[in-house]
Amino acid sequence: GAVVSQHPSRVICKSGTSVKIECRSLDFQATTMFWYRQFPKKSLMLMATSNEGSKATYEQGVEKDKFLINHASLTLSTLTVTSAHPEDSSFYICSARSGLGNQPQHFGDGTRLSIL
Amino acid sequence: QQQVKQSPQSLIVQKGGISIINCAYENTAFDYFPWYQQFPGKGPALLIAIRPDVSEKKEGRFTISFNKSAKQFSLHIMDSQPGDSATYFCAAINNFGNEKLTFGTGTRLTIIP
Repeated sequence: GAVVSQHPSRVICKSGTSVKIECRSLDFQATTMFWYRQFPKKSLMLMATSNEGSKATYEQGVEKDKFLINHASLTLSTLTVTSAHPEDSSFYICSARSGLGNQPQHFGDGTRLSIL
Repeated sequence: QQQVKQSPQSLIVQKGGISIINCAYENTAFDYFPWYQQFPGKGPALLIAIRPDVSEKKEGRFTISFNKSAKQFSLHIMDSQPGDSATYFCAAINNFGNEKLTFGTGTRLTIIP
């Protein structure tokens, strides 16, 4: 149980393109989803927290107009990297949690984004 | 105060040996301490977790030891196998506070034959 599916697993696109990444909870309802960014050989850096039906809460230093997050249903959240540039190249990972805070977060397998 | 310090940064253990990874925290409001295992190109997977009302939790070859007074916790992998080679992250969360996971810096574990 507690499977989180992330799509696509890898995307390569040209500078200036907008890229959408999907995060789905397959067998549970995710009241809260989180988006992380991970640089090579580094820990996960939280970008934003989203609750279903609400606006996402962004961490300090994360541009909300650059990284658009939508959590329209209890099983789907999307991250759109708008007008992506090479410095946005990274490994993006989502996680999902059901119910109250004492439930563990379950992670997707990440999306490797490469901007040429 | 939100930091979780993790050591060592990398660890090489012989097959069959015990791998030990340590973490320390400052925020006494943390009340849930999970460990995640991450293979290259994959997302972290929850391995084992502990709450501060117990001093030890064991699941198969994986054991968490928790010292509340010292604000330290550690992961022990018994009979380490090559398939355990991965990066391990400790984490902490205040479930009834801001509910964000605070991750350690990670330990790259390599099990050699």
